[in-house]
Amino acid sequence: EAGVVQSPRYKIIEKKQPVAFWCNPISGHNTLYWYLQNLGQGPELLIRYENEEAVDDSQLPKDRFSAERLKGVDSTLKIQPAELGDSAVYLCASSSREGPTDTQYFGPGTRLTVL
Amino acid sequence: GNSVTQMEGPVTLSEEAFLTINCTYTATGYPSLFWYVQYPGEGLQLLLKATKADDKGSNKGFEATYRKETTSFHLEKGSVQVSDSAVYFCALRLSGGSNYKLTFGKGTLLTVNP
Repeated sequence: EAGVVQSPRYKIIEKKQPVAFWCNPISGHNTLYWYLQNLGQGPELLIRYENEEAVDDSQLPKDRFSAERLKGVDSTLKIQPAELGDSAVYLCASSSREGPTDTQYFGPGTRLTVL
Repeated sequence: GNSVTQMEGPVTLSEEAFLTINCTYTATGYPSLFWYVQYPGEGLQLLLKATKADDKGSNKGFEATYRKETTSFHLEKGSVQVSDSAVYFCALRLSGGSNYKLTFGKGTLLTVNP
């Protein structure tokens, strides 16, 4: 079974430029998460989707960040414009059904560097 | 609020040494507890979990017991291998309501030398 796929794996951009990250969850997983992982820190949730609906986006900085999950499968996270402080690893995860003990499967992440 | 505190790293051990990584938590409800592992260049993988007090999670020789009285979930392994070198994250997840997000600790880097 294929795992969570993310692309690109690495991205280097100038500040004020836009950037987008793509995630393909495990087939059949209805729940999709985007996490932000700063260097030396644990991941922090940005947004959670149930199918195509964003059910928890309280931690997403909506002035510059946006996300979508068309047709309840793939998802894209966008930053526009990027700032120096956005340099981090962006992780995507998915799970088969929502519940406190359901396993979240993580992708390898996209490492963003903003110059 | 909910939080997870892990022992500071890095931790450096020789092969076959005993490993303990401490984890304590603060939660407003009754969380499920997890240990995730992140190998170099890879995503986080679930290592083990426990869903209620006194449960013991185990996998690949690693163990952790959910201690409600001490709000702890310490990770242990009797004999580490070089291949165990990775970053280990303790995490909690609450049940109830619509908030099922994972709250992670900062991670502990483990290096095992031959």
